[in-house]
Order: sequence, then structure tokens, then C-alpha cells
Amino acid sequence: DIVMTQTPLSSPVTLGQPASISCRSSQSLVHSDGNTYLNWLQQRPGQPPRLLIYKISNRFSGVPDRFSGSGAGTDFTLKISRVEAEDVGVYYCMQATQFPLTFGGGTKVEIK
Amino acid sequence: EVQLVESGGGLIQPGGSLRLCCAASGFTVSSNFMSWVRQAPGKGLEWVSVIYSGGNTYYADSVKGRFTISRDNSKNTLYLQMNSLRAEDTAVYYCARAPPDGLLYWVFDYWGQGTLVTVSS
Repeated sequence: DIVMTQTPLSSPVTLGQPASISCRSSQSLVHSDGNTYLNWLQQRPGQPPRLLIYKISNRFSGVPDRFSGSGAGTDFTLKISRVEAEDVGVYYCMQATQFPLTFGGGTKVEIK
Repeated sequence: EVQLVESGGGLIQPGGSLRLCCAASGFTVSSNFMSWVRQAPGKGLEWVSVIYSGGNTYYADSVKGRFTISRDNSKNTLYLQMNSLRAEDTAVYYCARAPPDGLLYWVFDYWGQGTLVTVSS
């Protein structure tokens, strides 16, 4: 199974300041079709997961442009350029390149 | 508008069975990849199962042989039949869909609100 490791576990951030979350996979996420199925999900308190970023760097419909994704191979990053109060929650990376689909352990973003 | 509404959760004794439903609207279940993902209380996300538009199914090792994913095209609904339930199956179960083509191919773009399954005596 592909193990997804996220750091940090928790990220206290001042409003308006940037935040960065790292996700590392135990093997390359490049699929044989050439795509890299690495997605980022946001889960606000008491809410279901919501897709933010797909295939490394594509923002899903309605996602603010302060969210951005980057990376390749086994190392990926989610950045929030200026954290807002509504960004509080847990962020998960997820790989869909290989079965079983696996998720990172989550990074909690909270306001200082 | 794409919507997914799960139902069927509840309290069940160990060894019991439960069937979860995921009613879809705004798209056709049979034309998409459909998946179940679960989240134990206070824990992270765990993939459970997926059904392809063509009907192929895949399962996590932790549920293989006990859970069955299926769909009813006439009702546009996804199901998860859960048998031989264990305490470790206690979780909120979410259904999610992934389009079969286009830019969002194999990307789980919409998720339901979830239904809670509690396995306890």
C-alpha cells in the first residue's frame, strides 16, 4: 500500500499569514496513464470532506485562489497564501493512483 | 446540482448487518465511479470500496469478503451492504463520486454528508 505522510500534524497560523502543508508518498504517484492522482481535501469542523485541489495543482470549482498545490513524484505541498477564519479545519492529501486509495493522516489548521 | 445523500446508518450489534444507501441527484450514478470512504470518530479518512461505471468493484482489505458495493440504476442509488460487522467498523460513512472522463477523470469531486454506523453491544 502507498503510505501518505503529512507534516505538520498541526499548524497554528495568524490570520492573513501563509500556511504550508507537506505530503510525501512512499512511492511515486505517477500513473501509467501519465497523470498524478494526488488530491487535497478540506474538512471543516462537523462537515464532510470537500475537494480543494486535484491532480497536484488544479483548483476545484469555487475554491479561492489563495489555495495552491504543487509538487511531483512523491513530494507535494498545499499552500494557503493568506489564511482566513473559514480555512480552519483538517486538510488531507489523498492518492488515487493505486489501490487501495490512501489518505494522509491530516493536518489541522487553526488560528493562533 | 450534484447531491449525494447517505442513509441507513445506526446502532448495530457486533456480527450484525446493515445496508447503507447513497441517493444521488444531478448526475447518473451508473455513468460514474462511485466510492465509499469512512471516518472513525476523531480519526482520519479511510477508503472502503469503489464501483466502476462498467461494474467492476474493489475493496479495502479490511472489508473484503464482508462488505459489498452495488447500485440500483433505476433509483440512481449506491449501496453498501455490510455484514459481520465489527467494533472497528464504527465510523461515519461517506459516498463520493468521480467522473468517468474529462479533466476530473478519477477525481472524487463530490461527497455526501455521511451516515454514522456504530457497532456496539
